[in-house]
Amino acid sequence: GAVVSQHPSRVICKSGTSVKIECRSLDFQATTMFWYRQFPKKSLMLMATSNEGSKATYEQGVEKDKFLINHASLTLSTLTVTSAHPEDSSFYICSAPGVRENYNEQFFGPGTRLTVL
Amino acid sequence: SQQGEEDPQALSIQEGENATMNCSYKTSINNLQWYRQNSGRGLVHLILIRSNEREKHSGRLRVTLDTSKKSSSLLITASRAADTASYFCAQETSGSRLTFGEGTQLTVNP
Repeated sequence: GAVVSQHPSRVICKSGTSVKIECRSLDFQATTMFWYRQFPKKSLMLMATSNEGSKATYEQGVEKDKFLINHASLTLSTLTVTSAHPEDSSFYICSAPGVRENYNEQFFGPGTRLTVL
Repeated sequence: SQQGEEDPQALSIQEGENATMNCSYKTSINNLQWYRQNSGRGLVHLILIRSNEREKHSGRLRVTLDTSKKSSSLLITASRAADTASYFCAQETSGSRLTFGEGTQLTVNP
């Protein structure tokens, strides 16, 4: 149990286009999901907290209008990279908190590799 | 930066040897978690240690936590080539938010 999926796994797009990435909790509900960005050989940087039914909470320095987050249901959060540019190329990973045994655990999606030409 | 630091950044060992990775953090924590990431993949949760715990074991993994020094270590015993991956520590603070360390790239040579 506790599987998180992401779609697509890879996307290549032209500069100026918008790209939508989906994050789904497959067998549990998630009122909160988290979006991370990872550059090659670097760590994960938390971008925003996605809240079901309300606005996302963005980390300092993350452009809200650039990275649109919609958490429309208890199992789906989407991240839309608007007007993508080559510097937006990165590995985007989502996670959702669940319960394993008697503690909270973050379950991570497999990631989406975005390449902007 | 709120991120913690890990050392070493890269570690190369022979199969069968033990691998030790260290993590330091800056703020108070609810718990500290260790994750593994294979190249280009998502993260896999390895082990969690609560702030009131000092040591925890899971299979070949041993984690220690020193809250006075704000540091943690991950020991992988009897390493295997399949252990080759990046390892990250992550501090859980409020609201289940995780702050990740810089990571250690472990290479286990057959």
